[in-house]
Amino acid sequence: DTAVSQTPKYLVTQMGNDKSIKCEQNLGHDTMYWYKQDSKKFLKIMFSYNNKELIINETVPNRFSPKSPDKAHLNLHINSLELGDSAVYFCASSQPGQGEDTQYFGPGTRLTVL
Amino acid sequence: QKEVEQNSGPLSVPEGAIASLNCTYSDRGSQSFFWYRQYSGKSPELIMSIYSNGDKEDGRFTAQLNKASQYVSLLIRDSQPSDSATYLCAVNTGGFKTIFGAGTRLFVKA
Repeated sequence: DTAVSQTPKYLVTQMGNDKSIKCEQNLGHDTMYWYKQDSKKFLKIMFSYNNKELIINETVPNRFSPKSPDKAHLNLHINSLELGDSAVYFCASSQPGQGEDTQYFGPGTRLTVL
Repeated sequence: QKEVEQNSGPLSVPEGAIASLNCTYSDRGSQSFFWYRQYSGKSPELIMSIYSNGDKEDGRFTAQLNKASQYVSLLIRDSQPSDSATYLCAVNTGGFKTIFGAGTRLFVKA
């Protein structure tokens, strides 16, 4: 059973298009995240949601709009894609507040903007 | 700005040797510290977590934390070629935010 799943695994699109990435976790966690990992492998937090509420927005352009329909799902919609958006996007979940905050990552979505 | 610093490497060690990976962090209020391993093309996975000063051992892995020096390290004993990966240091600065270092690439030569 996959703990954190993401679709699609690969996404190739043209500049200016709009695309979405979906994420689901079956761990029962309250908190979900989106991370961006660039070509230098630097993993940077974009958003954090706790119980469907936005907690962290790390100065991400407003072309990126996360949506959490329930606490098991956190989707990411990107408008007007730019070349610099090319990266691997990881969804993760955790259960903070129990003395630890281990992040469980999805397999990643490799986005290529042409 | 809260930061987590790591030497990007690559760190190359022979098989069977001890690999030592280091990390410093800037936020003195940080409470939780993690080491993740990331194989090429894969997602990060947790290796060790540590919350109090001192050493924590799990098999071939030992995490060390020194909050006064704002320093956390990971030792890998009897390194194996399968340990070759990027190791990410991560620090929870409180609440819902975990900051990752840029990672250290480790190569274990057979």
